[in-house]
Amino acid sequence: EVQLVESGGGLVQPGGSLRLSCAASGFTFSNYWMHWVRQTPGKGLVWVSRINSDGSNAIYADSVKGRFTIARDNAKNTLYLQMNSLRAEDTAVYYCAREVTYKSSWYLYRWLDPWGQGTLVTVSS
Amino acid sequence: DIQMTQSPSSLSASVGDRVTITCRASQTISSYLNWYQYKPGKAPKLLIYAASSLQSGVPSRFSGSGSGTDFTLTISSLQPEDFATYYCQQSYTTPVFGQGTKLEIK
Repeated sequence: EVQLVESGGGLVQPGGSLRLSCAASGFTFSNYWMHWVRQTPGKGLVWVSRINSDGSNAIYADSVKGRFTIARDNAKNTLYLQMNSLRAEDTAVYYCAREVTYKSSWYLYRWLDPWGQGTLVTVSS
Repeated sequence: DIQMTQSPSSLSASVGDRVTITCRASQTISSYLNWYQYKPGKAPKLLIYAASSLQSGVPSRFSGSGSGTDFTLTISSLQPEDFATYYCQQSYTTPVFGQGTKLEIK
């Protein structure tokens, strides 16, 4: 069974740091790009970051650029999100998700499946 | 940046109803549009990819259509387990989600 399990969430003070992990199983982790997406009641689902299959390229949402770092350890089948200089507005449930691609003629379709169950990050004093 | 706008933001309906949710992109995205179902405390679930392809295991009462800038998700006959929040997501560029449509029981 393809599965993603996040961990590492918790309560942290503004300006603090936290590292999230996402353990993957049931598929060849090193073949897939991976994403972090967060969810808040007010903003819904918001994309955070993506890393390519060998970890050599990563992109970030403007709201977290320079503060968050995505990484992966393909030997451990694990995805990470290092979060520094945390702010109250980073409070959210964080999900990891696998990117699946499908090529049809000239088109390369991408979607996120599966997703993990999420881990809650609360930034508050 | 491409913006995704869903309507309505919330919707009340009854079991057995036919429901349609709309998603509009701020620029053309061809068929690079996915739909997800979200329930609090659960993993978001992929329903539709490439605008109209039904994900394996998803009931056939769910369907998607559209291309360019205008897309729809239709649930042909609502079941109790369908009451959730639905999000569209464009994959033409880095992922951007719509603001969500909360489907509630009438």
